Amino acid sequence: SQELEQSPQSLIVQEGKNLTINCTSSKTLYGLYWYKQKYGEGLIFLMMLQKGGEEKSHEKITAKLDEKKQQSSLHITASQPSHAGIYLCGAVSSGNTGKLIFGQGTTLQVKP
Amino acid sequence: GAGVSQSPRYKVAKRGQDVALRCDPISGHVSLFWYQQALGQGPEFLTYFQNEAQLDKSGLPSDRFFAERPEGSVSTLKIQRTQQEDSAVYLCASSLIWQYNEQFFGPGTRLTVL
Repeated sequence: SQELEQSPQSLIVQEGKNLTINCTSSKTLYGLYWYKQKYGEGLIFLMMLQKGGEEKSHEKITAKLDEKKQQSSLHITASQPSHAGIYLCGAVSSGNTGKLIFGQGTTLQVKP
Repeated sequence: GAGVSQSPRYKVAKRGQDVALRCDPISGHVSLFWYQQALGQGPEFLTYFQNEAQLDKSGLPSDRFFAERPEGSVSTLKIQRTQQEDSAVYLCASSLIWQYNEQFFGPGTRLTVL
């Protein structure tokens, strides 16, 4: 079965600093989602990547899927306290249901 | 409504009690998913509906877990004879169709079994 490994597990950065979160899959990725979760809340969709080498940006967050489609990275530029939360990568599993397999999450704290 | 809603938001049950968790997906969304999220972990798939048909229930941890979506909209996840290991956040998500569509998540129901 497919597994997703996120690194680091947790991250504390000073406001204004850049950071990167990685998501590595044990199998080829056919659809990779990035979500953000705040404690006690549901998941907020950030971006979805499908093609090898694809890169998408939204405001100060950029996500990339490598050419081999087994690793994705999420990069935040000039972090702000509003970026704090848990970042989750999710992959479309095999089969035709669209169910997602998630990594364990990366907890981000941004110190003002 | 504007998004996926779930009720109750919090539920405390005594071990052995039955519980029912409700999910109202976004109107018109064909696909509905239930996930279970333990503390400090990512969500894990439980079951999937396409309209009223339950097409995948491979993630349900035991026969104490049962889900239904009788009219293809609202869904209920029922847990019978709750155990402490059932304590988790139960998330519901819906999407317009299925693969490669954004899944919109509800706020979750936090279940605590004492």
